[in-house]
Amino acid sequence: GAGVSQSPSNKVTEKGKDVELRCDPISGHTALYWYRQRLGQGLEFLIYFQGNSAPDKSGLPSDRFSAERTGESVSTLTIQRTQQEDSAVYLCASGNRQGSYGYTFGSGTRLTVV
Amino acid sequence: GENVEQHPSTLSVQEGDSAVIKCTYSDSASNYFPWYKQELGKRPQLIIDIRSNVGEKKDQRIAVTLNKTAKHFSLHITETQPEDSAVYFCAASAAGSSASKIIFGSGTRLSIRP
Repeated sequence: GAGVSQSPSNKVTEKGKDVELRCDPISGHTALYWYRQRLGQGLEFLIYFQGNSAPDKSGLPSDRFSAERTGESVSTLTIQRTQQEDSAVYLCASGNRQGSYGYTFGSGTRLTVV
Repeated sequence: GENVEQHPSTLSVQEGDSAVIKCTYSDSASNYFPWYKQELGKRPQLIIDIRSNVGEKKDQRIAVTLNKTAKHFSLHITETQPEDSAVYFCAASAAGSSASKIIFGSGTRLSIRP
């Protein structure tokens, strides 16, 4: 597609349930990031995929968070046993050639844990 | 690893005046410095970027300067308009490096007073 696509755009879930967020990067982009953005706050790095290299998971806040990416295509971010503090917008960004030409963000998934 | 600091966190300027946002970085290997604008409720969007082989880049009312020796770079917006009100993020990365990861500053909330 023309841009980075994220789904769902909004997700309301009950505390304790698992959620799965999806990101479709721009075709050909080897780099993919997940960020969390709480209301009125900055971009909190979660995880970084670069081609077939091992992902950089250093930003994942707990073992309830995990992410997968198949090759250079779709990525899913999974949050298990959701907590209220997980409520945020989850943004995905993709880029090519290790960021030589900038990164494009998706419109995000707004997660609300009730 | 890379660390990016951004100042100020909030900035209010009179319409028509100039706004300057400053960032510093720590990793001398960083060579690519994009700036993103995030309007309320929207995704961050790339507005301008600069690579380490140039010291300044302009695009209409927006300019970015880079001082590699001092490891700082700045965003300058001239003749500010109401639509410039947004949160601005600077970032740094070592584009082209397989181990590169883009690091964002904490953001500057710019308000343009009418």
